[in-house]
Amino acid sequence: GQNIDQPTEMTATEGAIVQINCTYQTSGFNGLFWYQQHAGEAPTFLSYNVLDGLEEKGRFSSFLSRSKGYSYLLLKELQMKDSASYLCAVGGNTNAGKSTFGDGTTLTVKP
Amino acid sequence: ETGVTQTPRHLVMGMTNKKSLKCEQHLGHNAMYWYKQSAKKPLELMFVYNFKEQTENNSVPSRFSPECPNSSHLFLHLHTLQPEDSALYLCASSQDGAASGANVLTFGAGSRLTVL
Repeated sequence: GQNIDQPTEMTATEGAIVQINCTYQTSGFNGLFWYQQHAGEAPTFLSYNVLDGLEEKGRFSSFLSRSKGYSYLLLKELQMKDSASYLCAVGGNTNAGKSTFGDGTTLTVKP
Repeated sequence: ETGVTQTPRHLVMGMTNKKSLKCEQHLGHNAMYWYKQSAKKPLELMFVYNFKEQTENNSVPSRFSPECPNSSHLFLHLHTLQPEDSALYLCASSQDGAASGANVLTFGAGSRLTVL
């Protein structure tokens, strides 16, 4: 079966650092993806990991441990515009675009 | 136009109506997808097309009928829907359907469907 867990909601302060965790148990694995979705808008791609370790892209970093079925998204120097839902997704075995998504974590950034 | 375009953005229909959702991508991608997003639920994959061929039907009821005439266009035909089908329907595309960890999804803005 497919099971992806991430916290439902998080709150952080502008300028701070926040870490959003994601654990997964899936029948196949072909990459761990993070997407950002603002209310009323389409999800947009942030980062992906296919090998263990940390991937850094500006203010956003994503980490993966395949043996632990664990990933996190790290957001630094938070800005108000970072308030959004963050979706963790596991790529399908035969098609990484055929992803299984978690419920999403709604992040609220406060001044 | 660039990216993935969906029309209409909003649709209200009765249970006996027939309507269609349209998706068009201008990215040169070869794989296209329909996802359903309901409140308080994760994104659910409905259909996958690779090079115009349907490769996945994720146990979707027959009242949803996809059509992919070419690699750039994808339709979702709707008939005799139920109120519980009200949701945001998202179209997405990716470069190809190969087993690649870099097969990132590009989403359209979605079609918000309300079934009365």
